Amino acid sequence: QSALTQPASVSGSPGQSITISCTGTSSDVGRFNLVSWYQQHPGKAPQLLIYGVNKRPSGVSNRFSGSKSGNTASLTISGLQAEDGSNYYCCSFAGSTTWVFGGGTKVTVL
Amino acid sequence: QVQLVQSEAGVKEPGASVKVSCKASGYTFTTYGISWVRQAPGQGLEWMGWISPYNGDTNHVQKFQGRVTMTTDTSTSTAYMEVRGLRSDDTAVYYCARNAGAVGAFDIWGQGTKVTVSS
Repeated sequence: QSALTQPASVSGSPGQSITISCTGTSSDVGRFNLVSWYQQHPGKAPQLLIYGVNKRPSGVSNRFSGSKSGNTASLTISGLQAEDGSNYYCCSFAGSTTWVFGGGTKVTVL
Repeated sequence: QVQLVQSEAGVKEPGASVKVSCKASGYTFTTYGISWVRQAPGQGLEWMGWISPYNGDTNHVQKFQGRVTMTTDTSTSTAYMEVRGLRSDDTAVYYCARNAGAVGAFDIWGQGTKVTVSS
């Protein structure tokens, strides 16, 4: 069970859109529509942003959206704001009550 | 409100054991699974294992085989994770998280418990 692959960092200017990729395999991301995304500010617990590939929990801004194609899932943040500067992690169900996280992506708002 | 409250941080010597608790409130404890996730200093999140408070079923990453035990106490709505034979690379913040549904995402997280392994 290897970690999912995310870019180490992504940056963008306020108002722009950025996309974070999350590449897995046909055993996890490609097999199940159970990819989730988490935002984690330094020193804080992660918070759920997206579940089931593209669903947002109540209270999460609609500027966050998720998608998947094959073995790669993506998180798009539109209308980038200063408060979006944080660390983002993808996660996929991998069968038999196991999950695997991505290595994390640091988003910098320029 | 729905929350998970974890035990306090601690320092342990190499070879010792640590038992982290995670008390649930605001929902029916046996309805949702609990996962344990750790984060080493400056590193990413690592899923460690899962337990069903309903029937005690567990699953965990192979690397923790024999060193990690997950349990629950339904009378107090508390989940526990014990790690034995602590090593310096077990130094991390340990989180419990609620699984939303049988195979669901982690919708509620504890505040984290920092475990430092040092002599």
